[in-house]
Amino acid sequence: DQQVKQNSPSLSVQEGRISILNCDYTNSMFDYFLWYKKYPAEGPTFLISISSIKDKNEDGRFTVFLNKSAKHLSLHIVPSQPGDSAVYFCASTGTYKYIFGTGTRLKVLA
Amino acid sequence: NAGVTQTPKFQVLKTGQSMTLQCAQDMNHEYMSWYRQDPGMGLRLIHYSVGAGITDQGEVPNGYNVSRSTTEDFPLRLLSAAPSQTSVYFCASSYSISLTEAFFGQGTRLTVV
Repeated sequence: DQQVKQNSPSLSVQEGRISILNCDYTNSMFDYFLWYKKYPAEGPTFLISISSIKDKNEDGRFTVFLNKSAKHLSLHIVPSQPGDSAVYFCASTGTYKYIFGTGTRLKVLA
Repeated sequence: NAGVTQTPKFQVLKTGQSMTLQCAQDMNHEYMSWYRQDPGMGLRLIHYSVGAGITDQGEVPNGYNVSRSTTEDFPLRLLSAAPSQTSVYFCASSYSISLTEAFFGQGTRLTVV
């Protein structure tokens, strides 16, 4: 049973526009959420996180929004750049583990 | 500060062979874990450790063993390789599981023929 879901396997966006990546979770006890970026042949790298006591967290071009009532979080990238092309994973921290979604492949078109 | 180091980067095994994937971190992290990444499946937890001498199973532990004799090292052993274990394996560590991010190694691409 997938506790963290990324329903869009892929997304294409024009350079300079906004990229919005979505993630849903099922367990209302989850209290910390993370986004990771992964380039081919590399390990995932941490991008941004949010605690359940917040509904928004910003870091430069990246903003994560959390809607606890809908059990939904999203990652906004503005403006999108070709170097943002990668696979993005959302994750939550369960008991003694990180639980990852299946990933969304973002392609930013120049 | 090298972070999380995995060796080897690539490996081809024959069915039935055994091998150990090495993982070491130099950040004095208590929590370490192993994941496998398969197409369309995301990152699935194999085993994890919350400190030296303490390990536990994750989501897909069958066919794998781990041990944690030191804080720094967390090797993953494949007991008798099967084609279903063809995957990319990632080791990760974090200061704690609570409210902190995990740092990943570069991965080991394993093919079992």
